[in-house]
Amino acid sequence: GQNIDQPTEMTATEGAIVQINCTYQTSGFNGLFWYQQHAGEAPTFLSYNVLDGLEEKGRFSSFLSRSKGYSYLLLKELQMKDSASYLCAVQREYGNKLVFGAGTILRVKS
Amino acid sequence: NAGVTQTPKFRILKIGQSMTLQCAQDMNHNYMYWYRQDPGMGLKLIYYSVGAGITDKGEVPNGYNVSRSTTEDFPLRLELAAPSQTSVYFCASRGQGAGGELFFGEGSRLTVL
Repeated sequence: GQNIDQPTEMTATEGAIVQINCTYQTSGFNGLFWYQQHAGEAPTFLSYNVLDGLEEKGRFSSFLSRSKGYSYLLLKELQMKDSASYLCAVQREYGNKLVFGAGTILRVKS
Repeated sequence: NAGVTQTPKFRILKIGQSMTLQCAQDMNHNYMYWYRQDPGMGLKLIYYSVGAGITDKGEVPNGYNVSRSTTEDFPLRLELAAPSQTSVYFCASRGQGAGGELFFGEGSRLTVL
């Protein structure tokens, strides 16, 4: 089975940096995804990590430690439009089963 | 580009009725998924398919059925609708490869009264 844990809510200030953590336990692991979801919309892809380390993509970076079952999404220079839910998803080694965590609601205040 | 198309976008059902949520993708993707999302919650995997003729259960399959007769289509069938199935349903697809981005449809909002 899989357990994926994320904080329920976070609040940060415009222009600041915020780190959203995700821990997971899985019987097989073949990569971790981060998705952004604005209220009333479908999720959109942010990042994919399968090897340990940091992947940077503009203002967003994602980190993975497979030995610790841990990932984080780092958002820099926060903007009001970054207010959304951030979903961590783990891919199992076999079957391409992709399971999501409950998501972290990020509120950016001015 | 159409991408992933879901129909209907909204539907109200009475308890005990049945219906099919349609999902079609035009990207020739092998992998297709059905998720449900309850208010304020994450996505729960209902069923998924790795290719035509192959389907498998996800985390919450009870009360649902799927079929995958073609690469393009992956309909989700609700038999004997219950209030607990009130949710937003998302269909998604992706191509070959472990890191393939998941493309989502716009979602179908279902209410069972």
